[in-house]
Amino acid sequence: GQSLEQPSEVTAVEGAIVQINCTYQTSGFYGLSWYQQHDGGAPTFLSYNALDGLEETGRFSSFLSRSDSYGYLLLQELQMKDSASYFCAVRAGSSGAGSYQLTFGKGTKLSVIP
Amino acid sequence: EAGVVQSPRYKIIEKKQPVAFWCNPISGHNTLYWYRQNLGQGPELLIRYENEEAVDDSQLPKDRFSAERLKGVDSTLKIQPAELGDSAVYLCASSLTPSGNEQFFGPGTRLTVL
Repeated sequence: GQSLEQPSEVTAVEGAIVQINCTYQTSGFYGLSWYQQHDGGAPTFLSYNALDGLEETGRFSSFLSRSDSYGYLLLQELQMKDSASYFCAVRAGSSGAGSYQLTFGKGTKLSVIP
Repeated sequence: EAGVVQSPRYKIIEKKQPVAFWCNPISGHNTLYWYRQNLGQGPELLIRYENEEAVDDSQLPKDRFSAERLKGVDSTLKIQPAELGDSAVYLCASSLTPSGNEQFFGPGTRLTVL
């Protein structure tokens, strides 16, 4: 099976930078995704990393190190609207149907304060 | 482009009653997923469809849960009979490709079993 660890809560100041870490244990790793979910809302896709390195999309960046089984989501120029839960999710499994399975972490609740 | 549509948004039932959730994915998305999300947790996959075929139902509690996607478009998830522990948000998602690296989620159905 898969297991993921990410901090349960993070608080940061508006305009600052925050990094949300995710470590995972899995076999048959394919890639790491990040999703954002506001309270009562639907999860929204942010990024997917299959290869080592940093991917940047606007204010959000995502990093993956396959050798360290580690990734992070970096949010810059924080805005109040960034207050939400952030989930890392691994795509992993053996060949066949299981290789497309996405397993989510428990999520990190980010609170942006003025 | 319309997003993933789910209904109802909220459902309150008594234990042992049946309940059904409906999902219409994004047009052209052949892959459809049902997830269950408990409070404070990440989504957990219940079943994945490729067109009308359930290709991964390994985590669906088949004694009481069933799902169908008869024409390969919209889908229904049923619980019969419901138990107190089934209280959760049931999310439907769809993706353009089977890899599901980017999944689009609906707003979910919040089920409360009394």
